[in-house]
Amino acid sequence: NAGVMQNPRHLVRRRGQEARLRCSPVKGHSHVYWYRQLPEEGLKFMVYLQKENIIDESGMPKERFSAEFPKEGPSILRIQQVVRGDSAAYFCASSPLGLAGPPGETQYFGPGTRLLVL
Amino acid sequence: DQQVKQNSPSLSVQEGRISILNCDYTNSMFDYFLWYKKYPAEGPTFLISISSIKDKNEDGRFTVFLNKSAKHLSLHIVPSQPGDSAVYFCAASVGAQKLVFGQGTRLTINP
Repeated sequence: NAGVMQNPRHLVRRRGQEARLRCSPVKGHSHVYWYRQLPEEGLKFMVYLQKENIIDESGMPKERFSAEFPKEGPSILRIQQVVRGDSAAYFCASSPLGLAGPPGETQYFGPGTRLLVL
Repeated sequence: DQQVKQNSPSLSVQEGRISILNCDYTNSMFDYFLWYKKYPAEGPTFLISISSIKDKNEDGRFTVFLNKSAKHLSLHIVPSQPGDSAVYFCAASVGAQKLVFGQGTRLTINP
């Protein structure tokens, strides 16, 4: 029974390149959340997606960042033209119930992708 | 605008004693509070939660207390064990599942 999978676990990019982070939720989960953790800080919500829909993107920077969760395949967090300030750990969480269920305890986190921008 | 704050970056406790981790919040609309545990190079793992209509929730060695008038919650771990050494995050939500996290407290259990 595989948990949330994220790849790559580590990603190094030069300034101006694109970063693609992938998240495969727990089998059967149709709700995905992305969080970002900057060094020495807590996790910060970025975006909440349900299959093919963005439900809440209030934590996403307005430019360069986008997310999708297609009908088939993993969820993708895409960062265009990366800058040094994008260096962080990016965590994905999945849930079977979304807004219909109790919060938090149904969110299962992946191991994260550590992005380093040189 | 830090809505959830954990003011102690680190805490050291002797094995077998009680560990108390604290968390303060500012948003009175939060209706659900959670504690997560995180080991290095892993994602957060859910520990325990409490609804805003309760003041205490217990699960084995873990108890969470909520004081709404003070906008304060705490996690008690007793007895503390070496495997409890990790970073603990307090989180809160308003209705929907978007979680607001504190900065974390690094707990070290000394043998």
